[in-house]
Amino acid sequence: GEDVEQSLFLSVREGDSSVINCTYTDSSSTYLYWYKQEPGAGLQLLTYIFSNMDMKQDQRLTVLLNKKDKHLSLRIADTQTGDSAIYFCAEDSSNTGKLIFGQGTTLQVKP
Amino acid sequence: DVKVTQSSRYLVKRTGEKVFLECVQDMDHENMFWYRQDPGLGLRLIYFSYDVKMKEKGDIPEGYSVSREKKERFSLILESASTNQTSMYLCATSEGFNEKLFFGSGTQLSVL
Repeated sequence: GEDVEQSLFLSVREGDSSVINCTYTDSSSTYLYWYKQEPGAGLQLLTYIFSNMDMKQDQRLTVLLNKKDKHLSLRIADTQTGDSAIYFCAEDSSNTGKLIFGQGTTLQVKP
Repeated sequence: DVKVTQSSRYLVKRTGEKVFLECVQDMDHENMFWYRQDPGLGLRLIYFSYDVKMKEKGDIPEGYSVSREKKERFSLILESASTNQTSMYLCATSEGFNEKLFFGSGTQLSVL
């Protein structure tokens, strides 16, 4: 079945770039998503990329998609303490019509 | 902006109690979902609904049921709460299948 994998934890210093990685299995996904969850809150859609694109940039966020390797990454430039959160990647499943989420990567930003 | 409202932010219940978690959306979305979130496991889909009175089991439906009597409201029911149902419960909506999800703030349920 479809699966989405992420590393569980990333720690960076304030001002550095953060790169959160994700691998997925469904090669026929149409969209891939990044969600952000701040402590004690629900998930907020951060950005998404259409599967026929290989890059999308939105201010400090850059999404890279390598369809051949089924690898998705989220780069946050000039990481701030307010970026500390859990980041989830998700793919839409062509088989089930639902989003499949990874386990979430906890980003810790040290001052 | 889409608003998804979950009725309780924190809930404490006793083992064996019947528990209702309510979710209301204001954007006339067809699809509504209930997930639970546990550390290291990510989000797991419990049930979803694609229309009024329609429901489908997700990946972990055991011990749960749902009700969707009106389009804007989707309720998750724990018939007899158990300690292993202590978790963060998240409601979400979408306009259609494979569409982006909009989440509520979550309900942290503790079953003692």
